[in-house]
Amino acid sequence: EPEVTQTPSHQVTQMGQEVILRCVPISNHLYFYWYRQILGQKVEFLVSFYNNEISEKSEIFDDQFSVERPDGSNFTLKIRSTKLEDSAMYFCASSEAGETEAFFGQGTRLTVV
Amino acid sequence: AQSVTQLGSHVSVSEGALVLLRCNYSSSVPPYLFWYVQYPNQGLQLLLKYTTGATLVKGINGFEAEFKKSETSFHLTKPSAHMSDAAEYFCAVRRVGFQKLVFGTGTRLLVSP
Repeated sequence: EPEVTQTPSHQVTQMGQEVILRCVPISNHLYFYWYRQILGQKVEFLVSFYNNEISEKSEIFDDQFSVERPDGSNFTLKIRSTKLEDSAMYFCASSEAGETEAFFGQGTRLTVV
Repeated sequence: AQSVTQLGSHVSVSEGALVLLRCNYSSSVPPYLFWYVQYPNQGLQLLLKYTTGATLVKGINGFEAEFKKSETSFHLTKPSAHMSDAAEYFCAVRRVGFQKLVFGTGTRLLVSP
């Protein structure tokens, strides 16, 4: 069964460093998303991406965040200068169309020290 | 703005007992509604969804949910709990025409023998 894969499963980085989280969405999907879940809190929407541009973003997704689809298969989330409060589980998701259900990856746990 | 309230951060049932996980939403227009399940160290898996049509929706693993517009609720039920149902369950809403999912805080289901 097709699935969304995320790498790495766990990343530790020093405060102020740049980090790139990687995702391979399901191959025929056209919409891509990033969500995050800070420990003990709810899953929060960060951004959606369609046709090589951001289609929707939350207030969390500020200038330190960026997304990119560098090739035909990968979808990345870059955090330019990480802060302690960026520590969270980051989930990538994809959907076939904007109106269909999103399929989630297993997440990348980011720890900023 | 949309919001989701899940009553009870933890629900404990015995194996074979009825499972009832509560979800209420707040939205200016009827949204699309979803239940996701998260098993330990795994991503979010879609259990079921309501978009239009029949208000009683059946999902995987014997779960079902009923959309009640008058009560703004979308409670998740299963007639008989199995040990394998122990997981965290998230209710989510999405506004028609948008991709962003708004999640509740989650309910951890504990199943005892």
